[in-house]
Amino acid sequence: AQRVTQPEKLLSVFKGAPVELKCNYSYSGSPELFWYVQYSRQRLQLLLRHISRESIKGFTADLNKGETSFHLKKPFAQEEDSAMYYCALIKGDTGRRALTFGSGTRLQVQP
Amino acid sequence: DAGVIQSPRHEVTEMGQEVTLRCKPISGHDYLFWYRQTMMRGLELLIYFNNNVPIDDSGMPEDRFSAKMPNASFSTLKIQPSEPRDSAVYFCASSTTSGRAGELFFGEGSRLTVL
Repeated sequence: AQRVTQPEKLLSVFKGAPVELKCNYSYSGSPELFWYVQYSRQRLQLLLRHISRESIKGFTADLNKGETSFHLKKPFAQEEDSAMYYCALIKGDTGRRALTFGSGTRLQVQP
Repeated sequence: DAGVIQSPRHEVTEMGQEVTLRCKPISGHDYLFWYRQTMMRGLELLIYFNNNVPIDDSGMPEDRFSAKMPNASFSTLKIQPSEPRDSAVYFCASSTTSGRAGELFFGEGSRLTVL
């Protein structure tokens, strides 16, 4: 069974500090990993996909198959980064479209 | 496009009552998902449809929950009878086969409180 674990419910940092939101997954096949974000009073939305190897709003995430991790990182946090972040995975080899989400981490960036 | 539209936004009901949540996906999207969000368990997939056909309902908690998609532009999630432990935010999301895999478009959610 596939599973996504986000060990921290809350991560609080000061503006300008580095941020790392942890995500570990269990899936024996070929997974695709994603980060979703939900800002206050906004809809849950896709932030980035591991397959795109992109940097969005200064955030990056590298898939580490050896450690089965997909941590989200940003070198300098901004107050507007405060939000709820969800890591998610999709089975990459079956054509299925449903995402399995982790329990989420609330990032709080203090001034 | 107004995006995925859910109603009601808030519902407060008493234990034992029937609850119906509604969702209108983005026009042209062929996948529809129902998720439940709680503090303890985060986002859980309840059921999803492809071209109006249920594909996987293994996340539906029990027989009290049912979901239908009578046409491409409408879906319902029904809880009968409701219980206090059903209190949560229920999200509907849609996506399209021609879009990026893993990109779901979420509605604003329906916050359910069962007293």
